[in-house]
Amino acid sequence: AQSVAQPEDQVNVAEGNPLTVKCTYSVSGNPYLFWYVQYPNRGLQFLLKYITGDNLVKGSYGFEAEFNKSQTSFHLKKPSALVSDSALYFCAVRDYGTDKLIFGTGTRLQVFP
Amino acid sequence: NAGVTQTPKFQVLKTGQSMTLQCAQDMNHEYMSWYRQDPGMGLRLIHYSVGAGITDQGEVPNGYNVSRSTTEDFPLRLLSAAPSQTSVYFCATTLRTGSNEKLFFGSGTQLSVL
Repeated sequence: AQSVAQPEDQVNVAEGNPLTVKCTYSVSGNPYLFWYVQYPNRGLQFLLKYITGDNLVKGSYGFEAEFNKSQTSFHLKKPSALVSDSALYFCAVRDYGTDKLIFGTGTRLQVFP
Repeated sequence: NAGVTQTPKFQVLKTGQSMTLQCAQDMNHEYMSWYRQDPGMGLRLIHYSVGAGITDQGEVPNGYNVSRSTTEDFPLRLLSAAPSQTSVYFCATTLRTGSNEKLFFGSGTQLSVL
């Protein structure tokens, strides 16, 4: 069965500093990996995905993520954090050949001015 | 384009009552799903559908029923509400074409079961 783990409940970072939000996954086949963001009192929005191709994926709002097959990780990164990046971030995985998209427990990112 | 429309936005039920959460989409996406969001638990998949007439269970299906008679609608039924079903519910559709895959979420239904 597929699963995804976000080991950090909260990540705190100063504005202008780089940020990383961690995600590891477990699948039996090839993974389809996603990051979604939930801003306060707003719905969930797509940030980026990895399905195939380059291991470094670029997405919305300057975010990127690196697929690492050997470490089964898909960490979300941004070179310079903004206060407006403060939100709840979800990693998700779908095992190739299945239709279930499973989400992690979420990581709250707090960017301080 | 309205996208994914969920109704109601808020609902309070008494234990044992039944209700249906509505979800409608106008994007002609084949895939639809229901998630619940609880603090510390993230988003958990309840049921999903890969097309009209086809539904399957997710991670936490107990206490919920779904049907998919049309591409547009995917209602979620609570047969006998329990306090453990207090949650925020999200309906989503999936655009899946080739290497492009993306979920579109509704705005959510906040449900309280007393």
